[in-house]
Amino acid sequence: KNQVEQSPQSLIILEGKNCTLQCNYTVSPFSNLRWYKQDTGRGPVSLTIMTFSENTKSNGRYTATLDADTKQSSLHITASQLSDSASYICVVTPNSGYALNFGKGTSLLVTP
Amino acid sequence: DGGITQSPKYLFRKEGQNVTLSCEQNLNHDAMYWYRQDPGQGLRLIYYSQIVNDFQKGDIAEGYSVSREKKESFPLTVTSAQKNPTAFYLCASGSWTSNTGELFFGEGSRLTVL
Repeated sequence: KNQVEQSPQSLIILEGKNCTLQCNYTVSPFSNLRWYKQDTGRGPVSLTIMTFSENTKSNGRYTATLDADTKQSSLHITASQLSDSASYICVVTPNSGYALNFGKGTSLLVTP
Repeated sequence: DGGITQSPKYLFRKEGQNVTLSCEQNLNHDAMYWYRQDPGQGLRLIYYSQIVNDFQKGDIAEGYSVSREKKESFPLTVTSAQKNPTAFYLCASGSWTSNTGELFFGEGSRLTVL
């Protein structure tokens, strides 16, 4: 069973609108949680990384939150742009460090 | 510039042929990984290496082989034993010396079997 579940699987929003992507995980104990953006046909690029003791981390229009008690993370995108169209992947690193746990990603499409 | 480089970006292969995908990093990372990505699926681990001359099988290692003779290099060979090799392959490197560590991905190699 996948230890990292992302929702929704896909999402379509209008340019300029906000959206929130979800990541639920069962990995425990964990070291850190990362969000990556992957453009079609490209490698994933890191957006944010949070340790288990952090609640929020921002990177421009991207804000990630983490609730270690409920094992949930969210990625909020503000004032979306067409270039935000991509797949967003949640990655949880266990304390062992090497065995990374990937979600299947949320595919976001921003339309004019 | 520091980074991780995969080549080739696109590769076509006839059935029955072995192909090798290159992955090079100059980030001084100890750990390197190979993942396979198929449409609608998450990244699946093929092989990983924590140090030079050592590597471990991931979840879908059958039909693949790797080597780690140098810290900077972690090539992946897709053998003819791999039943369905057409996919997007991603290499990553990481360092876990801090609480957050680093994890970077290459740009990927798309393999198509004709």
